[in-house]
Amino acid sequence: QVQLVQSGAEVKEPGSSVRVSCKPSVGTFSYYFVNWVRQAPGQGLEWVGRINPPRSIANYGQNFQGRVTISADRAMRTVYMQLGSLRSEDTAVYYCARGDRISGTLGYSYYMDVWGKGTTVTVSS
Amino acid sequence: QSALTQPASVSGSPGQSITISCTGTSSDVGAYNSVSWYQQYPGTAPKLIIYEVTARPSGVSSRFSGSKSGNTASLTISGLQAEDEADYYCTSYSTFNTVIFGGGTKLTVL
Repeated sequence: QVQLVQSGAEVKEPGSSVRVSCKPSVGTFSYYFVNWVRQAPGQGLEWVGRINPPRSIANYGQNFQGRVTISADRAMRTVYMQLGSLRSEDTAVYYCARGDRISGTLGYSYYMDVWGKGTTVTVSS
Repeated sequence: QSALTQPASVSGSPGQSITISCTGTSSDVGAYNSVSWYQQYPGTAPKLIIYEVTARPSGVSSRFSGSKSGNTASLTISGLQAEDEADYYCTSYSTFNTVIFGGGTKLTVL
């Protein structure tokens, strides 16, 4: 079973940016989407966005539009999430999660089936 | 986009069944066959337990089942066990190729 390996914890100052990476333990992201989901301390899960690496097309959550960029390297072996203009409320664990989809007779289905262990991002002066 | 609505907490005794609801709109839950459910223990990553409204990934207990009616999806856990005590989140695909989460439900096994 493939695992997703994320980069290490980060401590950033307010106003700066952070970049977190995600790699599969085997293979590439050729056939899957890659999502980023965050969880602030004691809070629920929040979808940040996703990328379709073969097409380099990204979609972003409404709360992150204009502040986040999700990208993939050309070999589709690493996906990055860069979040800018950091503020204290961005302190959270950021998870990457593999996204898969089904287009069946009942309609379109999208889900996240493999998750990384998370990267803690702390924003503090 | 507002988060999907879940009860903050539910509880049940071992052996009982519980149901967690997840209410959205005709733009997300009602529009797609795309509700999935995740189980999360404290300090760990979420785990997929239901996808495509009713499907279970390999290895997930048959005690977990999903359903949907209109704009509301549900997760039912039958034969409740102590190990089921966790947080549960629903998600749905939504407009403009986005994903929306529910606020999460804390399940307590009494």
